[in-house]
Amino acid sequence: QKEVEQDPGPLSVPEGAIVSLNCTYSNSAFQYFMWYRQYSRKGPELLMYTYSSGNKEDGRFTAQVDKSSKYISLFIRDSQPSDSATYLCAPGPHNFNKFYFGSGTKLNVKP
Amino acid sequence: KAGVTQTPRYLIKTRGQQVTLSCSPISGHRSVSWYQQTPGQGLQFLFEYFSETQRNKGNFPGRFSGRQFSNSRSEMNVSTLELGDSALYLCASSSPKGTGELFFGEGSRLTVL
Repeated sequence: QKEVEQDPGPLSVPEGAIVSLNCTYSNSAFQYFMWYRQYSRKGPELLMYTYSSGNKEDGRFTAQVDKSSKYISLFIRDSQPSDSATYLCAPGPHNFNKFYFGSGTKLNVKP
Repeated sequence: KAGVTQTPRYLIKTRGQQVTLSCSPISGHRSVSWYQQTPGQGLQFLFEYFSETQRNKGNFPGRFSGRQFSNSRSEMNVSTLELGDSALYLCASSSPKGTGELFFGEGSRLTVL
């Protein structure tokens, strides 16, 4: 069983749509839940993260973690063409910076 | 503040050769991690170094090795290259503040023919 499973996409939505990106993980020891965004030909960059369970909101982005079901979600409201990228979930134990990355969901927001 | 710098950005090798990739972390970052990214497997953890010591290692064969120098710069080496080693190799450094955020370079794209 993989440590992290992520809906592979690709996902194509019209501008202004609400986007839901999801991952499941297997290790209950994970405490940090990161979301990275990767544009084409670039390295990933941290979008936002949550610690333990709950929600965290940052502008149009909301990260949600349900530790009981080991489910991670990222919601994007009012999606923009500039949001077109690959989104990677990355839960981890934090110690020694070893994170497990999902395979990524490629999102395309059409104008 | 300069970001993470990886060299070379692109390289082509043939099977059986070896390759060395270099990473310069953000100034003040002492932790450097390496990841392999492929379309089929996504991002997979190779190893992590802190103060010249390897603290963690992923599930890769011994052909993959790395090291870190006293100035925190890191190198990774792949010996006896195989076709399946073709990938984007990403280096990431992290802050001593311990938030867990990884700052990635743009990667070194290796093609093995």
